[in-house]
Amino acid sequence: GNSVTQMEGPVTLSEEAFLTINCTYTATGYPSLFWYVQYPGEGLQLLLKATKADDKGSNKGFEATYRKETTSFHLEKGSVQVSDSAVYFCALNSGGSNYKLTFGKGTLLTVNP
Amino acid sequence: DARVTQTPRHKVTEMGQEVTMRCQPILGHNTVFWYRQTMMQGLELLAYFRNRAPLDDSGMPKDRFSAEMPDATLATLKIQPSEPRDSAVYFCASGLVPRDWVLTDTQYFGPGTRLTVL
Repeated sequence: GNSVTQMEGPVTLSEEAFLTINCTYTATGYPSLFWYVQYPGEGLQLLLKATKADDKGSNKGFEATYRKETTSFHLEKGSVQVSDSAVYFCALNSGGSNYKLTFGKGTLLTVNP
Repeated sequence: DARVTQTPRHKVTEMGQEVTMRCQPILGHNTVFWYRQTMMQGLELLAYFRNRAPLDDSGMPKDRFSAEMPDATLATLKIQPSEPRDSAVYFCASGLVPRDWVLTDTQYFGPGTRLTVL
């Protein structure tokens, strides 16, 4: 079956530090990959996505590249801000008649001034 | 700015009571998902619908939970009777699944209903 493994949190960084959150997956076929972000007290929001191998998703300074050879979709940002403090979820959808998103457990990021 | 709305945002109830949570998907979306989020289990998919038809509710405890879509603008999740272990945040999400059935577009999440069962 499908599964997503994210690095364990929490992750605590200082403002302007470099961020990497690792995500690896197991899936049948050719999944689409997503990063969602959840700010305190809110629902999940799509941060970025990639639908085929070697695609790079990017948004708000965050990037992730779909690496089929390593089955990975690591999230990176060059310089984090306090406002980036949130929980980040990696997810996949394997397509076909399966509409479900399979989520990782989430990684809590705290950015200190 | 189209959004998924959920009501109520917070619900405190006593064990054994019926709880109904409502969701209004984004207009034009044809797929609705119900999730439960807890610290221990993370984000769990309970059920989902396409064009108002239930497609998968295998994640839902059948004896007490039920999910319906009376019309295209309303999805409901009911718990009867509620138990303390049902305390969680329940999210509704909607999406548009095109004819080729590939979910390449995103799911849009509502703000959630925080349920506390005493």
